[in-house]
Amino acid sequence: QKEVEQDPGPLSVPEGAIVSLNCTYSNSAFQYFMWYRQYSRKGPELLMYTYSSGNKEDGRFTAQVDKSSKYISLFIRDSQPSDSATYLCAMSAGTASKLTFGTGTRLQVTL
Amino acid sequence: EPEVTQTPSHQVTQMGQEVILRCVPISNHLYFYWYRQILGQKVEFLVSFYNNEISEKSEIFDDQFSVERPDGSNFTLKIRSTKLEDSAMYFCASSELGAANTGELFFGEGSRLTVL
Repeated sequence: QKEVEQDPGPLSVPEGAIVSLNCTYSNSAFQYFMWYRQYSRKGPELLMYTYSSGNKEDGRFTAQVDKSSKYISLFIRDSQPSDSATYLCAMSAGTASKLTFGTGTRLQVTL
Repeated sequence: EPEVTQTPSHQVTQMGQEVILRCVPISNHLYFYWYRQILGQKVEFLVSFYNNEISEKSEIFDDQFSVERPDGSNFTLKIRSTKLEDSAMYFCASSELGAANTGELFFGEGSRLTVL
């Protein structure tokens, strides 16, 4: 079983839709959870960072963590064509400095 | 806005050749990282560097790889004898605190390495 599983997509939605992106993980040591956005030929850019179970909201983005189910989600409200990118989940065990990434989900928001 | 810069953006090399990828982290950052992404695969951790020494490295980071901070601004990744499977996008990242503290890793735009 992979440490972090993420559906690669592609996921295509119309503009204005609510997008749900998900990752599951197997390592109980993961305590810090992040979502990165990666545009084509660019480096990953941090969108959201959480370290506890529950929801965290930032503008149109909501990150959700369920440690008991080892499941994290990113919701994007009122999706825009500029949201078209690959979304990477990443997690860390806390004391270690490295991040373990999912494979990324490619999102396409159409007009 | 401060950013992590990487050079070259693309390097093509022959198998067995040495390659040096360069990075200029954000100036007040203390933690430096190299990650790589093979085409179509996930971003993978290679090595982290703090206080002029390696703090953690992955299984990928074998004896063919080395990192150095030769001066106060550059952070380099050297691959001593490249193999075909080293072809990937290499990302440098830096953070003010360790990745686990804030998650705020700032990534460069990557150096694409093609080994022929």
